[in-house]
Amino acid sequence: NAGVTQTPKFQVLKTGQSMTLQCAQDMNHNSMYWYRQDPGMGLRLIYYSASEGTTDKGEVPNGYNVSRLNKREFSLRLESAAPSQTSVYFCASSWASNEQFFGPGTRLTVL
Amino acid sequence: LAKTTQPISMDSYEGQEVNITCSHNNIATNDYITWYQQFPSQGPRFIIQGYKTKVTNEVASLFIPADRKSSTLSLPRVSLSDTAVYYCLVGDGRTGGGADGLTFGKGTHLIIQP
Repeated sequence: NAGVTQTPKFQVLKTGQSMTLQCAQDMNHNSMYWYRQDPGMGLRLIYYSASEGTTDKGEVPNGYNVSRLNKREFSLRLESAAPSQTSVYFCASSWASNEQFFGPGTRLTVL
Repeated sequence: LAKTTQPISMDSYEGQEVNITCSHNNIATNDYITWYQQFPSQGPRFIIQGYKTKVTNEVASLFIPADRKSSTLSLPRVSLSDTAVYYCLVGDGRTGGGADGLTFGKGTHLIIQP
């Protein structure tokens, strides 16, 4: 099992560009999450999906959209990237919200 | 949503036992306590979870007093590789994916010295 995979690992964007971060899990988990982590900070929840077909906002959803494509995949889209969105993005999945498995992260820089 | 408070940083030496305490004064009846470990440039990794009293696994022990307003993560005989950030989370694990219990905070930066 690969666990949780994320692509790409690194990305540099210019202000105003769009991109989609991909996440997939092979553990048959119902729930999936997107977090961002800024330097020296903890993780902040952007969006989560409790089950296939549902998504809900987390603490910092502005500037992002998500799609729960199927049970395995949960993508995060930046429609118009801003420098404030420079961060490390982590995807996670779980059966229950308190035991999550995390991917390796995507390091995004917006110039 | 139960809020947690942890020390910002701690340091210790190889071979010592390290205890990291987390305060969660407004923990709810259905809430579980979960600890994660994060190394630089990696995602957090689940360490241990408990509801009350004591839980032990191959990595750590978790002590929870009767009032459940705090918890202590105990790492026995630490090594240099235990240097990491440790997060305490409180939430209802039965919600199956709700946002409750998904606030990581800044965690405790544990530094182990030789």
